[in-house]
Amino acid sequence: DGGITQSPKYLFRKEGQNVTLSCEQNLNHDAMYWYRQDPGQGLRLIYYSQIVNDFQKGDIAEGYSVSREKKESFPLTVTSAQKNPTAFYLCASSITTGGSGYEQYFGPGTRLTVT
Amino acid sequence: QQPVQSPQAVILREGEDAVINCSSSKALYSVHWYRQKHGEAPVFLMILLKGGEQKGHEKISASFNEKKQQSSLYLTASQLSYSGTYFCGTGQQGAQKLVFGQGTRLTINP
Repeated sequence: DGGITQSPKYLFRKEGQNVTLSCEQNLNHDAMYWYRQDPGQGLRLIYYSQIVNDFQKGDIAEGYSVSREKKESFPLTVTSAQKNPTAFYLCASSITTGGSGYEQYFGPGTRLTVT
Repeated sequence: QQPVQSPQAVILREGEDAVINCSSSKALYSVHWYRQKHGEAPVFLMILLKGGEQKGHEKISASFNEKKQQSSLYLTASQLSYSGTYFCGTGQQGAQKLVFGQGTRLTINP
């Protein structure tokens, strides 16, 4: 079955530690995205990538880093510089880099709690 | 800039109709609609592209008024399964990314 996998579903970390969230897709999609969702709020774009070895900052990139070494994988690292990292993180992909006219498919999300 | 959705929340009885609006201050190329159940990933409903079209998906349809930079989502004869939070995501011409609204929470009661 094609889809997007995020692991783990729940993640707990101590303040001051970096943590990496996994996102893998087998849909052969070119574009991948990371969003952050806080309770009762919409989705805010952290980073996105249109092609391997290239990525762009979204609206709230500070305190986060990404890599895109393979088409299928787009891991997100939440660094200790992120002031309020506790949130629900969603990874998404879309078939093409040809603009915003294509559906985004979402993974199941990772709920990160930092104490 | 984030599109504005209205209403923020709505409670209906099963079988009633609902309209959710999404307004942007910028010229739009596309409007995406998604539904999210609590703790789950958003699920795609439909995309509307520049051209003022209307689309339908079962008893859920949407319109896109390019001139007013607005889209509306129509849910008719609502079912319990329609409960969730609805998000619009807007895209501009040439842009790869979407900007999402804050969401509209829809509760359907029996």
